[in-house]
Amino acid sequence: DGGITQSPKYLFRKEGQNVTLSCEQNLNHDAMYWYRQDPGQGLRLIYYSQIVNDFQKGDIAEGYSVSREKKESFPLTVTSAQKNPTAFYLCASSPPYDNYGYTFGSGTRLTVV
Amino acid sequence: AQSVTQLDSQVPVFEEAPVELRCNYSSSVSVYLFWYVQYPNQGLQLLLKYLSGSTLVKSINGFEAEFNKSQTSFHLRKPSVHISDTAEYFCAVSEGWDGGYQKVTFGTGTKLQVIP
Repeated sequence: DGGITQSPKYLFRKEGQNVTLSCEQNLNHDAMYWYRQDPGQGLRLIYYSQIVNDFQKGDIAEGYSVSREKKESFPLTVTSAQKNPTAFYLCASSPPYDNYGYTFGSGTRLTVV
Repeated sequence: AQSVTQLDSQVPVFEEAPVELRCNYSSSVSVYLFWYVQYPNQGLQLLLKYLSGSTLVKSINGFEAEFNKSQTSFHLRKPSVHISDTAEYFCAVSEGWDGGYQKVTFGTGTKLQVIP
């Protein structure tokens, strides 16, 4: 079955370290998204990509970076510049011009220790 | 700019009782509306959506939502809840496509707690 795979499910990071969260999809979707979820704040868009080798900043991009070298993959790097990285991170994808809505991965919970 | 308001952060309800989760949106153009459900430590799943046509849309597990343009609302209802409905519910609005990107704005979520 098609879907989005996020790994790892849980991730612990020491302050000052960069970490990379994986997101892979086999849905053949062009657009992919990264969201951050904090209690009581809903989902906030970090980055999105409409096509390979192209991506755009969302509402809270500072301290994060992404790449889109393959259609199937959209990894997110949380850098040491991100002041408060502890959160639940969700990857999503959508086909072009289809209003089905987003398909989400199961998320990665990042904790800074 | 589009926005979504979910005024209730938590809604406790007894099993088999009816429930309504409220959602209001703001937009200057026509919108598409969604409800997503999230179980603990999982991603969001699409529950139902309004794109056009009939203002009452239904899910396969008994939820329904009605688009009310004059009140800019898209409330989610279920006539009789089950323990398994305990989850967080997110309302979302989209104004359509900007190139290949669909900009979706999510509400802050409502936690539905079904009490046995």
